[in-house]
Amino acid sequence: AQTVTQSQPEMSVQEAETVTLSCTYDTSESDYYLFWYKQPPSRQMILVIRQEAYKQQNATENRFSVNFQKAAKSFSLKISDSQLGDAAMYFCAYRSARGGSEKLVFGKGTKLTVNP
Amino acid sequence: GAVVSQHPSWVICKSGTSVKIECRSLDFQATTMFWYRQFPKQSLMLMATSNEGSKATYEQGVEKDKFLINHASLTLSTLTVTSAHPEDSSFYICSASPSRSQQYFGPGTRLTVL
Repeated sequence: AQTVTQSQPEMSVQEAETVTLSCTYDTSESDYYLFWYKQPPSRQMILVIRQEAYKQQNATENRFSVNFQKAAKSFSLKISDSQLGDAAMYFCAYRSARGGSEKLVFGKGTKLTVNP
Repeated sequence: GAVVSQHPSWVICKSGTSVKIECRSLDFQATTMFWYRQFPKQSLMLMATSNEGSKATYEQGVEKDKFLINHASLTLSTLTVTSAHPEDSSFYICSASPSRSQQYFGPGTRLTVL
């Protein structure tokens, strides 16, 4: 079974600085999707960024980018120019590309605090 | 972007009663919907996968007779907590998947059982 590990329970960053959240996963599959979700205090899960495993190019969404290292099974999230609104729980998630296996496997999350 | 709604957003009920939570995909069709449970300061725990027109697939350890799931249409799935007890109090979140690479979440329902 696939597993997702987030080794940083909590992180903090100064406003306008850059922070990187770590995520590693374990799988024997070659084709899959990786996600970062943000859960602010409202508890609404918000998709931050998505990466397809077959794509070598790292995904980027405005201030959010990933460092996808397939061989190392690593998928870190970099937040540039951190803003107060970035404060939230961040969850890394894995989803198989295999038919019939559509469920997300989540890590335990990293709580990000942004200091003014 | 795709929107998923949940109703109600919060509910308080007495022990022994049943509670129904609705999950709707508002602007897309979802053959698959998922139900999660989240305890405070913890990650999401998948309870079951709901497929339109067929029986739900429950994760190990989840009582299917207690947590009834119905996926009656491509835009609606319901979770009914039967004979609720205080230990069922939690935050329940649904998600809907329009494609394999996408999954959108509802805002969640806070259930409190007295």
